[in-house]
Amino acid sequence: EVHLVESGGGLVQPGGSLRLSCAGSGFTVSSNHMSWVRQAPGKGLEWVSVIYSGGDTYYADSVKGRFTISRDNFKNTLYLQMNSLRAEDTAVYYCLREYDYWGQGTLVTVSS
Amino acid sequence: QIVLTQSPSASASLGASVKLTCTLSSGHSTYAIAWHQQQPEKGPRYLMKLNSDGSHTKGDGIPDRFSGSSSGAERYLTISSLQSEDEGDYYCQTWNTGIRLFGGGTKVTVL
Repeated sequence: EVHLVESGGGLVQPGGSLRLSCAGSGFTVSSNHMSWVRQAPGKGLEWVSVIYSGGDTYYADSVKGRFTISRDNFKNTLYLQMNSLRAEDTAVYYCLREYDYWGQGTLVTVSS
Repeated sequence: QIVLTQSPSASASLGASVKLTCTLSSGHSTYAIAWHQQQPEKGPRYLMKLNSDGSHTKGDGIPDRFSGSSSGAERYLTISSLQSEDEGDYYCQTWNTGIRLFGGGTKVTVL
């Protein structure tokens, strides 16, 4: 059975950094396209980043240059390194095995 | 540039049917989409992938009363025999090389 479990969220000050993790089970992370998607409070879903099974990575313009997506094949885990965080990055962050399995989400709050 | 357009809200009575629409922007009418459901205070759940010819692949455990269809640039999600647990937000999603995109979502209310 496929499972995705995010972790690493929390409260961080503007300008700070955070690394999110998404542990996969029941499938191989590196064999799938994997995305990060976020949802600001009371808002809709916003795509953040994708890493293809072949390793190519892409980002939404709103996070380009600040966020980095990666994976650890041995740990079967997806990551999102978030730097230079802003208040508008406050959201629940979900990982998504394209397109059929979602994690439960982890909350990131950027505030002083 | 791809844009997905969804109506903000829809409603129908318990036991009735509701049909949601996701419209692809001009020049993108052949794109496949995915439908996702988000019940109140929960994370999203994949419902189905829907192709331009109307064929669709549903997620594990998705009831038969959820179905998809297509016409031109329109992608539809029909929920039959509405249940109270069908209340929530429904998002369409599409993709191309290097980009993924969500529609604004449709809030479904069961009367």
